[in-house]
Amino acid sequence: GNSVTQMEGPVTLSEEAFLTINCTYTATGYPSLFWYVQYPGEGLQLLLKATKADDKGSNKGFEATYRKETTSFHLEKGSVQVSDSAVYFCALLPPSNTGKLIFGQGTTLQVKP
Amino acid sequence: EAGVAQSPRYKIIEKRQSVAFWCNPISGHATLYWYQQILGQGPKLLIQFQNNGVVDDSQLPKDRFSAERLKGVDSTLKIQPAKLEDSAVYLCASSPRAATRETQYFGPGTRLLVL
Repeated sequence: GNSVTQMEGPVTLSEEAFLTINCTYTATGYPSLFWYVQYPGEGLQLLLKATKADDKGSNKGFEATYRKETTSFHLEKGSVQVSDSAVYFCALLPPSNTGKLIFGQGTTLQVKP
Repeated sequence: EAGVAQSPRYKIIEKRQSVAFWCNPISGHATLYWYQQILGQGPKLLIQFQNNGVVDDSQLPKDRFSAERLKGVDSTLKIQPAKLEDSAVYLCASSPRAATRETQYFGPGTRLLVL
């Protein structure tokens, strides 16, 4: 079946540190891949997405590359800020027409000044 | 453009009581989703509507949960009777269509606590 596995948190970094949050997936066919972010007290917001192998999604300094060979979609940012503190969810959309998103369990990021 | 609206934001009830949540999607979005997010887990799809028809309700506990989307616009999710394990955040999302590359836009969620 389809599933997403994220690295366990919390991840605690100092401001301006490099961030990597690992995400691997299991899926049949070629899913679309997403990173959503959830700030405290708010709903999920789309951070970036990639719809085919080798695509790179990017937004607000965050990047992730769709790696079919390693079934991964790791999230990276070169220099984190305190305002990046949030919960990050990796998700996949299977190649069907139902639109059902499959989420990982989420990774909490805490950035300290 | 207004986002997805949900109410109430918080609800506390006792087990065996009933509760209802309301969602108004982004104007013009044909597809509406209800997700359940238990603390420490990722959201799980409960039900998906395309206009006012159900596309997927395979993970909806139908003995106690029900949902409707009259007129293909706003939607109501009901739990009757509630159990302790229903404590979660209930997220509503919408997208223009149910295609595989469409972005889903989420509301702020309703946080339910069942005592």
